[in-house]
Order: sequence, then structure tokens, then C-alpha cells
Amino acid sequence: GAGVSQSPRYKVAKRGQDVALRCDPISGHVSLFWYQQALGQGPEFLTYFQNEAQLDKSGLPSDRFFAERPEGSVSTLKIQRTQQEDSAVYLCASSARGSDTEAFFGQGTRLTVV
Amino acid sequence: QQQVKQSPQSLIVQKGGIPIINCAYENTAFDYFPWYQQFPGKGPALLIAIRPDVSEKKEGRFTISFNKSAKQFSLHIMDSQPGDSATYFCAASGSGGYQKVTFGTGTKLQVIP
Repeated sequence: GAGVSQSPRYKVAKRGQDVALRCDPISGHVSLFWYQQALGQGPEFLTYFQNEAQLDKSGLPSDRFFAERPEGSVSTLKIQRTQQEDSAVYLCASSARGSDTEAFFGQGTRLTVV
Repeated sequence: QQQVKQSPQSLIVQKGGIPIINCAYENTAFDYFPWYQQFPGKGPALLIAIRPDVSEKKEGRFTISFNKSAKQFSLHIMDSQPGDSATYFCAASGSGGYQKVTFGTGTKLQVIP
């Protein structure tokens, strides 16, 4: 596809369950970002990949959050032992180079932890 | 720590009006300032961006004004249309290789016919 694709679009998880969120960036894009967007708030940075290397994970809120991009294309954000405060929209973005080139966002995955 | 402050939280204007959204930043290392538009159920999309070496940038009906000394910047939407109804986010980052983007809290704009 031409844009950033995220799946699933919606995920309902029981508290304590593990979830995995997938991001397919635009083909050839070097940079990949994950953001968390709480209801009514701006996106908050979680982590950044340049190709397969995770260069910044300073925004991950706890060690329950883990992200990978093993082949430098598709990325997965995994949340272990989900908590209610993890409920948010998780956005993936990719760009051709660094963050001062246009970043293209996916539609996001809305995670609801019940 | 909120590094980019955005106001107002919401805004209602008549069609043809000129909504203005204001942002202020604290980190003097920021030197790239994009604005994003987000429709419900969609991801943010880049609208327009500015660097601090210019005081104003226009793209179509959208204009960014930038005041480096005051560390403030604003978005003006000329001749606003109902289709402009969306949430707008200002953002800021450094430049030169990778720099994470810091977003404002968003302004929900409604343009009524």
C-alpha cells in the first residue's frame, strides 16, 4: 500500500493480557516512530528506529513495553501484562530520513484495556 | 513536562473566518516546527512546517507566523471552510539527523457553515 498501515485497528484486552500491535511503514522509509495518544491529548513519543536499530526508547513508559523492527521494515509494539492506563491510541509513523523530514502516520490502533 | 504549550483547547468559527492557534515552546534547541491536522479516526497529517530563520510561511490558506525571540508561533487559517474542522497540533523538534518530535495538546476546530 501507499501509506503506513497498522493492525489491528481496534484491540480490547483484559487486564493482564499481552498484546502485539503491528506497523507496516512506507516501503523504503528508514525511520520509524511509535507514539501513544491518550484521549484528547497530543501524541507522546515512545520509541524510534533507524532501519532495524532502536536508537531511542526513552519514551517507553515501563519495562512492560517492548518494540522491535528486526528486518528494518515491519515493526511490532508489544505490551505485556496490560493495565487500564495503557488504554490509548498507538500511532506509528515513518519517514524517509530523520524527524525533520515529513513523517507519515498510520491510522493507529485503539487499545482498550478492561 | 510540557515543552510545547498550545491554546486554545477548542475553537468555533463561522465559515470564512480566520481561526488562530497559538503555541509556545521552552527548549531553545528546537528549530523545526511542524503543524499537524488530525481528523477523527485518522492519524495526524503534516500540514505545514517552518524553521526559525523565517518569520512567516504560507501554503495555500494556511500561514505560520514565528516569533523567535518570544519563542512563540501560530497557525492562521484564511477563509476557513467546514472541511477544515479537525484537531490541529503544533509540534517542535531539533534537526540534523534524528530528533524526536514533541507535540502540543491540540486544538479542536469547528467551522460552522
